[in-house]
Amino acid sequence: QSALTQPPSVSGAPRQRVTIFCTGSSSNIGAGYDVNWYQQLPGTAPKLLIYDNSNRPSGVPDRFSASKSGTSASLAITGLQGEDEADYYCQSYDSSLSGSVFGGGTKLTVL
Amino acid sequence: QVQLQESGPGLVKPSETLSLTCTVSGGSISSYYWSWIRQPPGKGLEWIGYIYYSGTTYYNPSLNSRVTISVDTSKSQFSLKLSSVTAADTAVYYCARTQLRTGWHVYWGQGTLVTVSS
Repeated sequence: QSALTQPPSVSGAPRQRVTIFCTGSSSNIGAGYDVNWYQQLPGTAPKLLIYDNSNRPSGVPDRFSASKSGTSASLAITGLQGEDEADYYCQSYDSSLSGSVFGGGTKLTVL
Repeated sequence: QVQLQESGPGLVKPSETLSLTCTVSGGSISSYYWSWIRQPPGKGLEWIGYIYYSGTTYYNPSLNSRVTISVDTSKSQFSLKLSSVTAADTAVYYCARTQLRTGWHVYWGQGTLVTVSS
């Protein structure tokens, strides 16, 4: 069982908006540690999508946005496109592990 | 652009030791944390551990007794050893550069599938 909880799947039609939630605890997100998000296309390595709760690396479209509040975080994708079909993972630091923790991943299907 | 490349055997027998090396190019291995992360087939990501370029290590407690991560700055490489493997250790193993001990994994290798089977 992952230290961070994500829904197994979400779906949306093209051009719509979807939100993926990530719930943590007092030893990770709730302790103030930042949340990062990754996109994993089929058969490829994860790619950093959002870092430090809400920052996009160069090259990531502004259709992707994220925020954090309390013990949870969320990733929003607007203007859904077929190329957004992928697995999305949240990640943070956990003080009880003294290391990195990931969510279980959310599979996004574009209908 | 920083690039990471995993290398090592793709098949390991049960009870033996899995050994992988990650070679870093396009940037210095100094002043960063370097991680190993794995992903069993069809499942999510699991952090194995990381090493600071100076040699300080941090391991996932669930694997702590079986994991060793080392670094060779002269070769711009860091390595993973996982002992007493079982079929549950079958996974794609990724190496990554981690921005700060509490931070994000900014560069990833392409991953290498390691199968544990006799």
